[in-house]
Amino acid sequence: DAGITQSPRHKVTETGTPVTLRCHQTENHRYMYWYRQDPGHGLRLIHYSYGVKDTDKGEVSDGYSVSRSKTEDFLLTLESATSSQTSVYFCAISAGYETGNTIYFGEGSWLTVV
Amino acid sequence: GIQVEQSPPDLILQEGANSTLRCNFSDSVNNLQWFHQNPWGQLINLFYIPSGTKQNGRLSATTVATERYSLLYISSSQTTDSGVYFCAVGTLTDSWGKLQFGAGTQVVVTP
Repeated sequence: DAGITQSPRHKVTETGTPVTLRCHQTENHRYMYWYRQDPGHGLRLIHYSYGVKDTDKGEVSDGYSVSRSKTEDFLLTLESATSSQTSVYFCAISAGYETGNTIYFGEGSWLTVV
Repeated sequence: GIQVEQSPPDLILQEGANSTLRCNFSDSVNNLQWFHQNPWGQLINLFYIPSGTKQNGRLSATTVATERYSLLYISSSQTTDSGVYFCAVGTLTDSWGKLQFGAGTQVVVTP
């Protein structure tokens, strides 16, 4: 257990509304990531963070923003949700070079945009 | 970007059988990990293995970085091994921990 908690775990929202997903970790890891998983596309990186207030874009960042004001929290915001953002969202952390750079995932957040 | 191909896409096994899953990648990597996604959607890290061989119980993995492939071996399969197995890689030019995932191998183990 890497101490990763995602919230909410399930959400249904309407097109055009903003949505924020939260990832909370308890082990002070520096690196955090947001992935989305879709049938036929596998897992794709949305955004990642390498420290407080240090973030960068991944492969599919359009329509998403992130913030990291504390080491333990990494927020993913859908600025104006669209049906194409219906997906399963996974937060992940990297345990870092000292522990072999192993990636651990949270349990996922199922988002449906109607 | 780097291409990651996993084979076979689907695999049906009888309980107790052995199997080999393959991951080919198109460029040099300094990060390779295997994950198992169970039928409830949970993603579990199996191995961090950019090179060499590792074993963990009935599972083992080998990466031959110079030939750009990795193998995951499942021995004496059990129904709890069912799910999707993903290979994910990172290259020297990627920021720390950024991974490119393959499409996965769907494994079904029947009693």
